[in-house]
Amino acid sequence: DTEVTQTPKHLVMGMTNKKSLKCEQHMGHRAMYWYKQKAKKPPELMFVYSYEKLSINESVPSRFSPECPNSSLLNLHLHALQPEDSALYLCASSPDRASSYEQYFGPGTRLTVT
Amino acid sequence: AQSVTQLGSHVSVSEGALVLLRCNYSSSVPPYLFWYVQYPNQGLQLLLKYTSAATLVKGINGFEAEFKKSETSFHLTKPSAHMSDAAEYFCAVTRFGGGKLIFGQGTELSVKP
Repeated sequence: DTEVTQTPKHLVMGMTNKKSLKCEQHMGHRAMYWYKQKAKKPPELMFVYSYEKLSINESVPSRFSPECPNSSLLNLHLHALQPEDSALYLCASSPDRASSYEQYFGPGTRLTVT
Repeated sequence: AQSVTQLGSHVSVSEGALVLLRCNYSSSVPPYLFWYVQYPNQGLQLLLKYTSAATLVKGINGFEAEFKKSETSFHLTKPSAHMSDAAEYFCAVTRFGGGKLIFGQGTELSVKP
């Protein structure tokens, strides 16, 4: 199984809502990533988890809160978002953080903040 | 610091024609280089990667790329374009020390019938 799954596929939320994005992989990978992608732009790294510990936070606003409950799951908790946070949120995983490993991406969650 | 430049934000070819998507990198250490493809409303799929084992790398869907250290290039080619190749293509390099993919700005490939 070389698949990264993400739920939900689409999400519409108001600026006062709290919601969560979920990512799951069963490849035994120990590094997991969250990216944000705006239209016609490359993905921008948000967070990296390595062995279930947060290892990189790319100065992401605190209204985004990541969580890694176990080695297969990665969540992104959303609260008090702004319309400019509307984007495609991609999750990825790799065997570990070593540079030589490719990252496997999920299909993404299309988020719209109203 | 590593960086990637993709020349041409949009490339258009006819079906059956050669596909050439250009990528130049900057790295102070031997790089690990990747090409990803993204179809509309989907995630990224790995086409191929260079990790110093061979300079000519073959990937999926008939794509290949050649690592040229003297030109700091890693261009993606396919001998004959198919309509299904229409997508966004990203070249990427990993930052030494791991964990961060640095992407180029992407090249949108259109294939005309």
